[in-house]
Amino acid sequence: ETGVTQTPRHLVMGMTNKKSLKCEQHLGHNAMYWYKQSAKKPLELMFVYNFKEQTENNSVPSRFSPECPNSSHLFLHLHTLQPEDSALYLCASSQFGQGAETQYFGPGTRLLVL
Amino acid sequence: ELKVEQNPLFLSMQEGKNYTIYCNYSTTSDRLYWYRQDPGKSLESLFVLLSNGAVKQEGRLMASLDTKARLSTLHITAAVHDLSATYFCAVDITYGQNFVFGPGTRLSVLP
Repeated sequence: ETGVTQTPRHLVMGMTNKKSLKCEQHLGHNAMYWYKQSAKKPLELMFVYNFKEQTENNSVPSRFSPECPNSSHLFLHLHTLQPEDSALYLCASSQFGQGAETQYFGPGTRLLVL
Repeated sequence: ELKVEQNPLFLSMQEGKNYTIYCNYSTTSDRLYWYRQDPGKSLESLFVLLSNGAVKQEGRLMASLDTKARLSTLHITAAVHDLSATYFCAVDITYGQNFVFGPGTRLSVLP
């Protein structure tokens, strides 16, 4: 595997389900990010992890819970979601502290909440 | 609240023509990124602009940054169909810790 991978690529869940999205980066980066991309809003940064520590949480509802067990893996745990949470969830990684934090994005997980 | 605006949001142009996409932002930053997204695919980095007056060029695309005007431009020269995509600018407001993206400009290059 190369770059940033995400699983699953598609997910349909009910409002009472619990599911997790997984992201893995193979670039040796030290920062990882979760973004939400929906049709009606610009790309929204949800969470930032630098060196496995969460540094940003942009007012994300608690029904989204991130986990970063190491610098290569990032999870987004989902529970009791709402239909408006349906969107494309993108993971990205970058090398923080190098002066230019270009982000490398995964292919995304397209989530549909029924 | 930081706002990042792009103009235009939709652009349809003929092959061979030139055009410019504008990215305005509402707070001080000297770090701006341009990304491209093809339909159904993820974002791909195009340019990193890290100082006032920075200019980067790759093929038919050229990006510039004016931090005093809080404006970045993405200029397209002699457009070709392969450039059809959505282009996003993103402002880095806390040095790699927080990025705010523009709404995107959907470009369609017609033969």
